[in-house]
Formats: sequence, structure tokens, C-alpha cells
Amino acid sequence: DAGVTQSPTHLIKTRGQQVTLRCSPKSGHDTVSWYQQALGQGPQFIFQYYEEEERQRGNFPDRFSGHQFPNYSSELNVNALLLGDSALYLCASSYRDREGYGYTFGSGTRLTVV
Amino acid sequence: AQSVTQLGSHVSVSEGALVLLRCNYSSSVPPYLFWYVQYPNQGLQLLLKYTTGATLVKGINGFEAEFKKSETSFHLTKPSAHMSDAAEYFCAVTTNAGGTSYGKLTFGQGTILTVHP
Repeated sequence: DAGVTQSPTHLIKTRGQQVTLRCSPKSGHDTVSWYQQALGQGPQFIFQYYEEEERQRGNFPDRFSGHQFPNYSSELNVNALLLGDSALYLCASSYRDREGYGYTFGSGTRLTVV
Repeated sequence: AQSVTQLGSHVSVSEGALVLLRCNYSSSVPPYLFWYVQYPNQGLQLLLKYTTGATLVKGINGFEAEFKKSETSFHLTKPSAHMSDAAEYFCAVTTNAGGTSYGKLTFGQGTILTVHP
């Protein structure tokens, strides 16, 4: 059973460009969250998608947008890239179990803005 | 609002020694608490979590953590460190959002564990 898969693994973009990152959640998981992890920092919550709608959003500008498809996969779009957007972008899918719930993370997409 | 503080950005131990990574949280409602490990250039792997029930939680690779509400702590321990434990460790907190929702995770700044032979 594949876990959370993200593509691409690495990406280099020029300042001002736009980028799209992709995520497929683990089978059976219907909720996807995106996190930004700058170098030397803990991950920061960007937003969460469920039933193709944005349900929660962190403190990120409108340049960051997303989408969720009927098959639960998701995209993260960033417009007008800034050097400060360089980071590891992590996707997590959520699940419920007897004790509550948890999150499974993908390996991330390393975005470098030059 | 919720927050996490990890005391010590770097911890160094000898192989075979006790590992203790400290995490204190702040939450206005009962928390769900997690420890994740991150190896270089990889994503986050769940070590263990506390949601409800027993406050001493056992995870993978011999790690365990104890939820202490009175101290708002969730420290991670392992009796005997292995070289393969060298990585960065993140403590995270969320709350039960209720219904079909999942709470957002708030992470600490991370602790880099170095294991010396």
C-alpha cells in the first residue's frame, strides 16, 4: 500500500514564476494538508482540504492556493515566487483510528527559488 | 491557540546512553501530541502519538513518551541510543477538531540528535 506520494521531488524556479506541487494521499485518507518547512525550522501549516474545499488556512498570503480533486489528490500552487518561498513542502493525509486521529506525511518537494 | 517548545536545538549522546528530548506544549483544550523523526532530505515519520487513554505511550524503534498534563510536557525518551537514531526530531500538537475535521499540527523548532560511537 503506497503511502503519501508527492511530485516532483525537487524543483528550481525563478523569482516571479508560478509553481504547482502535487500530492496523492494514502489510500483511504480523504483529507490533505500542506506544510512549508524552511531550512532549520519546523513545518508550518499552510492549509487543509476536505471534500474539495479549503477547510482551514494558516498564516500564508493569497499567493498560496490549492485544490483537491474528487480522488482526494491535491495540488499546491504558489504564484509570484519569492526567494523566501524556498523550502521543503510537505503533504500530509489524515486518518482516524480507535485512539483519535493521525497524519501520514509524504517525502516532500524541495523548492528552490533563484 | 496552541504552541510547542522544544528545549535544546541540539542534543548529543553516546551510543548506548539514554536519549531525552524535551517538549512542552500550550493548548487551551485537551491536546493530541505527536513525535516525528526526520532524516536528511526526507519527510516526517511518526514515532508515536498521544490522543487519549494511557499517558505513557510506546512508539517505534524503542522510543516512548509520557504525557504529563500538570507539567504540560511530552518528553521523548529511549533507554539506549543507536547510531541510526541520529536525525532531527519534531514534537507537534493539535486538538480534536470534532466532527469530520482534523486539527492543524503546530510543530516545535526541532531537536537535532547526534549519537557518538
